[in-house]
Amino acid sequence: GGIITQTPKFLIGQEGQKLTLKCQQNFNHDTMYWYRQDSGKGLRLIYYSITENDLQKGDLSEGYDASREKKSSFSLTVTSAQKNEMAVFLCASSIGLANSDYTFGSGTRLLVI
Amino acid sequence: LAKTTQPPSMEAYEGQEVNVSCSHTNIATSEYIYWYRQVPHQGPQFIIQGYKDYVVNEVASLFISADRKLSTLSLPWVSLRDAAVYYCIVTDRTGGLSGKLTFGEGTQVTVIS
Repeated sequence: GGIITQTPKFLIGQEGQKLTLKCQQNFNHDTMYWYRQDSGKGLRLIYYSITENDLQKGDLSEGYDASREKKSSFSLTVTSAQKNEMAVFLCASSIGLANSDYTFGSGTRLLVI
Repeated sequence: LAKTTQPPSMEAYEGQEVNVSCSHTNIATSEYIYWYRQVPHQGPQFIIQGYKDYVVNEVASLFISADRKLSTLSLPWVSLRDAAVYYCIVTDRTGGLSGKLTFGEGTQVTVIS
């Protein structure tokens, strides 16, 4: 079986800092996603990528950049961390764009001080 | 306008059957129904999907009303491991941003020992 790995698991940043989160999958899935989850809330789509070098904006892309340089990896950058921001960032992958059976990673927990 | 409506929380005793309902009154003919669950400190996990009638797998069963406006996820003989937030999602499979999974706040299922 495959696995989807997010690093780091925990990230503490400072206000204004640029922070990068990484995601790797070995399912050979074409499509990858980044979601943000605030405490007690649902997930909001930030960016997704249909294939290597493709980027598509989700509902919450402002304040973020993404990069898909390889099929197996998808990175997310918080361009300027906001003070007291606290959220979990979840990466997922699926076989293709029209497949809604997603596999999620365990998340990166971000705290900005 | 939310695509789905679920109860915010439910409780059940171990060994009981749990039925989580989901209303999707504006579901389109191109849309399918997906259920995911999320335990603490993990990403959501796919449970089951369906279009109409009745679907069953090794984890759960899904009943969809004849007009497709209501679905019910049924978990037989719940254990403490089934305590999670359960998300009902309606989406099409034609690709594009509209086909992306949108996670609302879900139903928090608490299992009492």
